[in-house]
Amino acid sequence: EPEVTQTPSHQVTQMGQEVILRCVPISNHLYFYWYRQILGQKVEFLVSFYNNEISEKSEIFDDQFSVERPDGSNFTLKIRSTKLEDSAMYFCASSFGGARAIEQFFGPGTRLTVL
Amino acid sequence: AQRVTQPEKLLSVFKGAPVELKCNYSYSGSPELFWYVQYSRQRLQLLLRHISRESIKGFTADLNKGETSFHLKKPFAQEEDSAMYYCALKGGGSQGNLIFGKGTKLSVKP
Repeated sequence: EPEVTQTPSHQVTQMGQEVILRCVPISNHLYFYWYRQILGQKVEFLVSFYNNEISEKSEIFDDQFSVERPDGSNFTLKIRSTKLEDSAMYFCASSFGGARAIEQFFGPGTRLTVL
Repeated sequence: AQRVTQPEKLLSVFKGAPVELKCNYSYSGSPELFWYVQYSRQRLQLLLRHISRESIKGFTADLNKGETSFHLKKPFAQEEDSAMYYCALKGGGSQGNLIFGKGTKLSVKP
């Protein structure tokens, strides 16, 4: 059964550094999402992406963040100049139907630790 | 405001006991609700959705619009049900972003 994959599983970085989190969505899916979960808190929506552009973003997704689908298979989340409060689990998800989808499929997550 | 509330952080029951995981929502339109489950060291996966009115692994959930609730129930808990359970609401955005509750950790003891 196809799955969403994410790399790396754990990323440790110094404050102020840039990180790129990678995701490979399920191959025939058209809608892509990033969520994050700070330890002990709820899973929060960051951004959705469709047709090679951002569809929606939350208040969390400020200028520090960007997303890209560079090669038709990968879907990346870039965080410029990381801050301590960016430490969280980052989940990628994909779906076939967007708002009409009956399910979003989640990756295993990347744990980002900012020191 | 769109919001999902799961009031219990932890629910501990014995095997064979009934389970009810509470979920309340706030949404101005017609809600679409889901339960996701995360077993230890595994990814979030869909357990059930209210539209399907299905029973998965013995779990059911009924949408009660009057009480704005979508509680998850199982009559007889099993040890393998131990996991984190997240209630989620499909937000009003055009791409169906999900709004999650904080999650309830279910622990089923032998």
